[in-house]
Amino acid sequence: GENVGLHLPTLSVQEGDNSIINCAYSNSASDYFIWYKQESGKGPQFIIDIRSNMDKRQGQRVTVLLNKTVKHLSLQIAATQPGDSAVYFCAENAGNMLTFGGGTRLMVKP
Amino acid sequence: DAGVIQSPRHEVTEMGQEVTLRCKPISGHDYLFWYRQTMMRGLELLIYFNNNVPIDDSGMPEDRFSAKMPNASFSTLKIQPSEPRDSAVYFCASSLVPTGGDTQYFGPGTRLTVL
Repeated sequence: GENVGLHLPTLSVQEGDNSIINCAYSNSASDYFIWYKQESGKGPQFIIDIRSNMDKRQGQRVTVLLNKTVKHLSLQIAATQPGDSAVYFCAENAGNMLTFGGGTRLMVKP
Repeated sequence: DAGVIQSPRHEVTEMGQEVTLRCKPISGHDYLFWYRQTMMRGLELLIYFNNNVPIDDSGMPEDRFSAKMPNASFSTLKIQPSEPRDSAVYFCASSLVPTGGDTQYFGPGTRLTVL
């Protein structure tokens, strides 16, 4: 997809380490948040979501944390693998419309 | 389920030509979304439909862009006439319920190049 970029922040981690990707959202009325993963040439793929009445949700190897006080969302990936290399987007929902963040490129070094 | 299907995957055309992008949502999904992704602007929502009816088209850039959903299993995004600045990847997504109840599932995208 067209997510390559000069403008994308990049996180580089060693295989096996944990990754933390951060996102600041803008709308205090947002009630639902999603993390997407986008690999080159593909569409965004759902990873995990969280509703505004929660502050933490865990999936398989992934955890999302929500801090509504400072409007901050993070995605933690445990034991990062080469297949995790991609661009990660957070998205916030307000009024049935998703607004996407700019994305972070995760690079996993073998 | 095959997921959201988009065609063509790649389109190269010349400025001034009409371009039609196609999308088949996941069966049973009542919501369909069209997005555009560029390096400069990221992912932008263009328009979305609920039960085949356009609900919000405020993201459509200008009158050259139009979208239709004649039935629950098919939608088109048309650009006429196309311009080089329309070059982008266009994604279609669908969801079962309003976003906030469930996530949106994206298709593989159509990479459009306007020369």
